[in-house]
Amino acid sequence: NAGVTQTPKFRVLKTGQSMTLLCAQDMNHEYMYWYRQDPGMGLRLIHYSVGEGTTAKGEVPDGYNVSRLKKQNFLLGLESAAPSQTSVYFCASKRAYNSPLHFGNGTRLTVT
Amino acid sequence: GQQLNQSPQSMFIQEGEDVSMNCTSSSIFNTWLWYKQDPGEGPVLLIALYKAGELTSNGRLTAQFGITRKDSFLNISASIPSDVGIYFCAGQGGNNDMRFGAGTRLTVKP
Repeated sequence: NAGVTQTPKFRVLKTGQSMTLLCAQDMNHEYMYWYRQDPGMGLRLIHYSVGEGTTAKGEVPDGYNVSRLKKQNFLLGLESAAPSQTSVYFCASKRAYNSPLHFGNGTRLTVT
Repeated sequence: GQQLNQSPQSMFIQEGEDVSMNCTSSSIFNTWLWYKQDPGEGPVLLIALYKAGELTSNGRLTAQFGITRKDSFLNISASIPSDVGIYFCAGQGGNNDMRFGAGTRLTVKP
């Protein structure tokens, strides 16, 4: 039981490049979330999903897209990376509405 | 959107001292959670609170869900060096997103 697994762990992009971050959970959780963490700002919600095939915007969705084609996977895409998207990205999942979140170990992304 | 104000931003304490941090919100929450994050890792759940007024302990940690549902606090008693890290509060309101405070960075001096 691996929990929440994020790939890759590190990535460096040039401005304008695209990439996809993968989040996989093996706990059969319904809800999945993508956050970004910047110094002094805590965790800010980008997008989330309440079930397979559904997605919704969080606090800071601009510049990102997501897809939840399979229940266990939640993909975060950057179509045209910008330096402002340099951050640590965390994926999390939870079983039900009032359940606590379980986090992956993060992806550190640098956009130059 | 829902905003969480967490304080203090940072604390420097001596080993053995007690610690208190809190979160307040302009909105009502149905669930309050407290997480700890170590360097290079994701946040790990410490305590979950589901009812207004609820007081819950986990070892040396105690947290309370405020009676107005707009605040929560976390206390750590008799701190030890491994308590070092960043502590986050999180709140779940009527919608499906979960919002986090900016964190309290705790440093414990031996």
